[in-house]
Amino acid sequence: AQKITQTQPGMFVQEKEAVTLDCTYDTSDPSYGLFWYKQPSSGEMIFLIYQGSYDQQNATEGRYSLNFQKARKSANLVISASQLGDSAMYFCAMREEGGNKLVFGAGTILRVKS
Amino acid sequence: DVKVTQSSRYLVKRTGEKVFLECVQDMDHENMFWYRQDPGLGLRLIYFSYDVKMKEKGDIPEGYSVSREKKERFSLILESASTNQTSMYLCASSPQGGKNEKLFFGSGTQLSVL
Repeated sequence: AQKITQTQPGMFVQEKEAVTLDCTYDTSDPSYGLFWYKQPSSGEMIFLIYQGSYDQQNATEGRYSLNFQKARKSANLVISASQLGDSAMYFCAMREEGGNKLVFGAGTILRVKS
Repeated sequence: DVKVTQSSRYLVKRTGEKVFLECVQDMDHENMFWYRQDPGLGLRLIYFSYDVKMKEKGDIPEGYSVSREKKERFSLILESASTNQTSMYLCASSPQGGKNEKLFFGSGTQLSVL
């Protein structure tokens, strides 16, 4: 069964510094997709970045990049040059090929300090 | 702009009441989902639907049922609300594609059962 683990309940980062949010996953399917979502205090879920299991390069979207290490089954989110507006809950999620559902981790609360 | 709309942002109900949570999407998506979000547990899938009148149980379906009579609308039903169903409920939709299809979320319904 697919499973997502986020071991950091909360993180602090200084404004303008980079931060890495950890995510490990477990699946027996060789084809899968990995997602990161951001949930600010307003409650909306905002899609940030996607990585496919067969993608050769790590995904990047602006200040977000995904450090994908397939052999270690990890898909860490890296946020560069943190901003106060990055303070939010961050969720890692996975979907297997042919599967309809997205399985989520427990989330990491990020607080950016000025 | 794509939209998933949940009928209520906040809802307070009494134990034993029948509760309906409504969700409508305007993107002509085949898949629709109901998740509940609890601190420390992340998002857990209750039910999902991949077509009109079709439904599948997620990871925590006990105490819930769903209805999808029209493609754009997916309802979550609590037949007899209990206090342990106090939670944030998130509706989402996605196209019928593969592993790379992201979910689009509604703004959530915070349900309190007293």
